[in-house]
Amino acid sequence: GAGVSQTPSNKVTEKGKYVELRCDPISGHTALYWYRQSLGQGPEFLIYFQGTGAADDSGLPNDRFFAVRPEGSVSTLKIQRTERGDSAVYLCASSPGQWNSPLHFGNGTRLTVT
Amino acid sequence: GQNIDQPTEMTATEGAIVQINCTYQTSGFNGLFWYQQHAGEAPTFLSYNVLDGLEEKGRFSSFLSRSKGYSYLLLKELQMKDSASYLCAVRDPRGYQKVTFGTGTKLQVIP
Repeated sequence: GAGVSQTPSNKVTEKGKYVELRCDPISGHTALYWYRQSLGQGPEFLIYFQGTGAADDSGLPNDRFFAVRPEGSVSTLKIQRTERGDSAVYLCASSPGQWNSPLHFGNGTRLTVT
Repeated sequence: GQNIDQPTEMTATEGAIVQINCTYQTSGFNGLFWYQQHAGEAPTFLSYNVLDGLEEKGRFSSFLSRSKGYSYLLLKELQMKDSASYLCAVRDPRGYQKVTFGTGTKLQVIP
């Protein structure tokens, strides 16, 4: 079946602009995660959703970052007033939601802020 | 909070066995994952341990000791395609959902 889909695969934007990154999880997966990964580092937790609600947003670095999942399926990560330090690969993962379920990752969106 | 430590890099020879260690200090624990990530690709699931002991899955095995906050991933009969980063991750018991990753171990397999 279809895996986790992220669009766009690459995004180049200028400092100060607004960007939206989209994630389509595996159908039926109730849990959805956003991570950020810089070169040579492990994925850094940003936020996760259980259904439509953000169950834990403790990893969002500041109020420029916001994510939504209005219908409990597709999620959008929104970054306002982008900074060069926001450049990274943004990974989305979904899970069926059981306690022993693994996370299934998309291929990520590579964001470059110039 | 969660603190997860792994060696940054390792090198091993094709056909050999390599053990990648992971230690964790967490405010709670509800299982440990190992993921493989090839350069430029998404992480892919390898194993999940929640009880102490060894879980074997083909050439890959994973071990957990909860009392020691320690896990390892064992790769046997190394192949060149095993060159990748290996990520250790711990699941938070609160709500069973939040998963925190370590920085990963970059494994290079040489002929």
